[in-house]
Amino acid sequence: GQNIDQPTEMTATEGAIVQINCTYQTSGFNGLFWYQQHAGEAPTFLSYNVLDGLEEKGRFSSFLSRSKGYSYLLLKELQMKDSASYLCAVNSGGYQKVTFGTGTKLQVIP
Amino acid sequence: DTEVTQTPKHLVMGMTNKKSLKCEQHMGHRAMYWYKQKAKKPPELMFVYSYEKLSINESVPSRFSPECPNSSLLNLHLHALQPEDSALYLCASSQTPGGGGTDTQYFGPGTRLTVL
Repeated sequence: GQNIDQPTEMTATEGAIVQINCTYQTSGFNGLFWYQQHAGEAPTFLSYNVLDGLEEKGRFSSFLSRSKGYSYLLLKELQMKDSASYLCAVNSGGYQKVTFGTGTKLQVIP
Repeated sequence: DTEVTQTPKHLVMGMTNKKSLKCEQHMGHRAMYWYKQKAKKPPELMFVYSYEKLSINESVPSRFSPECPNSSLLNLHLHALQPEDSALYLCASSQTPGGGGTDTQYFGPGTRLTVL
């Protein structure tokens, strides 16, 4: 089976930096996605990590440690529009099986 | 173009009705997916189609019947649903299916289903 854990909620201030952690236990690990989902909308792709290390994409960065079963999403220069749920999702096995974590609801406050 | 379209956006149906959800992509993707998402919960995988063949069925009740008529279309036929089936149904696609794939899944906007 799979076990994916994320904090349920986080609050951060506009302009600040926030780190959202994700830990996982799975067999046949291929990679880890981060998705952003605003309320009532579909998830949108943010990043995909396959190898260990940090990948930076504008204000968003994602880190993966395969040996530790750990990833984080780093959001810099927070904006009010960044208030959303952030979903960690593990790609495992064949046939593109993707399992989502419970999501972290981020609230950005002025 | 990274668009996945879904119709209808909203659907209300009774427990005796038969309805279908439709999903379409024109990105040449050969893997397509159905997910179910309840409020404040993450998406849960239901079905995966790889090269138009059903490759994963996550023990979904038979009242949900998927169909992939061609590489661009994915349907979900609904019959005799229960009120607890009310949820957001998301379709997604990715470029290539198969072991160890690294392809991003692109999601459609979803169909919000209410079963009365």
